Amino acid sequence: DIQMTQSPSTLSASVGDRVTITCRASQSISSWLAWYQQKPGKAPKLLIYKASSLESGVPSRFSGSGSGTEFTLTISSLQPDDFATYYCQQYRGAFGQGTKVEIK
Amino acid sequence: QVQLQESGPGLVKPSQTLSLTCTVSGGSISSGGYYWSWIRQHPGKGLEWIGYIYYSGSTYYNPSLKSRVTISVDTSKNQFSLKLSSVTAADTAVYYCARGGYSGQDPWGQGTLVTVSS
Repeated sequence: DIQMTQSPSTLSASVGDRVTITCRASQSISSWLAWYQQKPGKAPKLLIYKASSLESGVPSRFSGSGSGTEFTLTISSLQPDDFATYYCQQYRGAFGQGTKVEIK
Repeated sequence: QVQLQESGPGLVKPSQTLSLTCTVSGGSISSGGYYWSWIRQHPGKGLEWIGYIYYSGSTYYNPSLKSRVTISVDTSKNQFSLKLSSVTAADTAVYYCARGGYSGQDPWGQGTLVTVSS
């Protein structure tokens, strides 16, 4: 099984900060990676697919990069609506354990 | 636009079988290029992928749950279903269904809480 490891598990940041979350796969998954945002009591929302493609309607401050085993999600300027938990997922497989972005 | 809705009992007794259905509206479950997933989230925890099915009936399950999981599809009703046998309190979770494809998993259902308790 391919395991997905996210870091950090919690991140404290301020509005306007640049935020980076890392996701590592236990073996190469090419670019078959998606990023999701989840807020309490809600279903996850797709942000990024195929490692770096921005889902329609998602603000351009979100970006994804990487391939193989190492991936990153970057929020260029954190907004109040971005405080949430973020998950990576290899297509048709495991999720990372999540990164909670908290207000500093 | 495609929408998904989970349905099923919110309370299941230990050792019994959990059964949920996901109804797809606004599109056909037989559309090529998609797979149909079940994901769960234990209270206060992260997301756990359970498995997925193609409209043809081909399935793939999380190895950690494989011995207890069955996912099936009913194209005539535009639904797919999850059965999880021999449940325990550890299976208490919010269960989501979602459509997967080239562009990741989207949309998702709203989720349904299933509690395992006597």
